[in-house]
Amino acid sequence: EPEVTQTPSHQVTQMGQEVILRCVPISNHLYFYWYRQILGQKVEFLVSFYNNEISEKSEIFDDQFSVERPDGSNFTLKIRSTKLEDSAMYFCASSERSYGYTFGSGTRLTVV
Amino acid sequence: GESVGLHLPTLSVQEGDNSIINCAYSNSASDYFIWYKQESGKGPQFIIDIRSNMDKRQGQRVTVLLNKTVKHLSLQIAATQPGDSAVYFCAEKGGGGSNYKLTFGKGTLLTVNP
Repeated sequence: EPEVTQTPSHQVTQMGQEVILRCVPISNHLYFYWYRQILGQKVEFLVSFYNNEISEKSEIFDDQFSVERPDGSNFTLKIRSTKLEDSAMYFCASSERSYGYTFGSGTRLTVV
Repeated sequence: GESVGLHLPTLSVQEGDNSIINCAYSNSASDYFIWYKQESGKGPQFIIDIRSNMDKRQGQRVTVLLNKTVKHLSLQIAATQPGDSAVYFCAEKGGGGSNYKLTFGKGTLLTVNP
């Protein structure tokens, strides 16, 4: 069964550093998403991406965050200057249409 | 002090019993609903979905019921197995002019006792 692949599985970074989280969506999918889950809390929407542009974003997705699809297979989330409160599981998801999402296994980001 | 995190509703069942997990959603304009299963340290795994023009949908051992009148969604798992132990989330989409964003509920922890 096709999977969404995320790397790394765990990233530790110092506060103020930039991090890039990487995702390889399912190959025929057209819609891409990032969500995050702070430990013990709900999964929260960050951003959706379609046709090479952001289609929707949440209040969490401020100027510190950016997304990119640098080639035909990768989808990245960049956090420019990490804060302690950015520590969370970050999930990438993709879908063929605007429903039927498949999530990756996540990247655990720890900011120290 | 301030509490952090959520106190998850929990459901404990015996292996072989049927489980019913409930979810109240917030937006009457939502038109698409999904149930996800999340095991510890893993991403949400799709179980079953339903559109707002349906009341019931069945999958393998799972049934989703949608009651739009009271904004209630339920997931029924037949013959629950130990491997079904996980946190179950409902998610809704489509309310408030949003076409892409899934809004997740807080989850229910299902524990299946052998």
